[in-house]
Amino acid sequence: AQTVTQSQPEMSVQEAETVTLSCTYDTSESDYYLFWYKQPPSRQMILVIRQEAYKQQNATENRFSVNFQKAAKSFSLKISDSQLGDAAMYFCAYGGSNYKLTFGKGTLLTVNP
Amino acid sequence: GAGVSQSPSNKVTEKGKDVELRCDPISGHTALYWYRQSLGQGLEFLIYFQGNSAPDKSGLPSDRFSAERTGGSVSTLTIQRTQQEDSAVYLCASSLFGRGGTETQYFGPGTRLLVL
Repeated sequence: AQTVTQSQPEMSVQEAETVTLSCTYDTSESDYYLFWYKQPPSRQMILVIRQEAYKQQNATENRFSVNFQKAAKSFSLKISDSQLGDAAMYFCAYGGSNYKLTFGKGTLLTVNP
Repeated sequence: GAGVSQSPSNKVTEKGKDVELRCDPISGHTALYWYRQSLGQGLEFLIYFQGNSAPDKSGLPSDRFSAERTGGSVSTLTIQRTQQEDSAVYLCASSLFGRGGTETQYFGPGTRLLVL
């Protein structure tokens, strides 16, 4: 079975600075996707970024980028120029051959003005 | 609407009562998923519907939980004889082709269930 580990229950960052959220996973599959979702207090899970395992190039979406290390099974999220609206719970998720997503426990990000 | 919608937003019930939670997926999405988010267990998969195929119910925690999807669109999750441990946020998601984990799932805002 796949597992996803987020080792940082909470992180904080100053507005306009950069923060990196960590995620590691375990799988025996070769074809899979990895996702970062953001969940603000409104509870809506919002897709931040996704990475296909077969792609070597790290995914980027505006201020959000990932560092995908397939051999190390590591998938960290970097948020640049942090904004107050980035404050939320961030979940790393694994999607493989079965239907479900497997989520980490989440990292609560606080952005300080 | 453009996104996944869920109702009610919040539900308070008494132990032993039945509840129904509704999910309306994105129009045209063939796959629908239910997850449960609780403090102790994080996010757990409950059930998956894909088109007219038999649903994958492998994540349902007990036979008190059931779900159906009518006309390939709206889904209802029913919890019978609710228990306090059923208190959680119930999230619904949908995806376009139903390729499961290798396809982006789009989530609704969830229903927060509190069982007194």
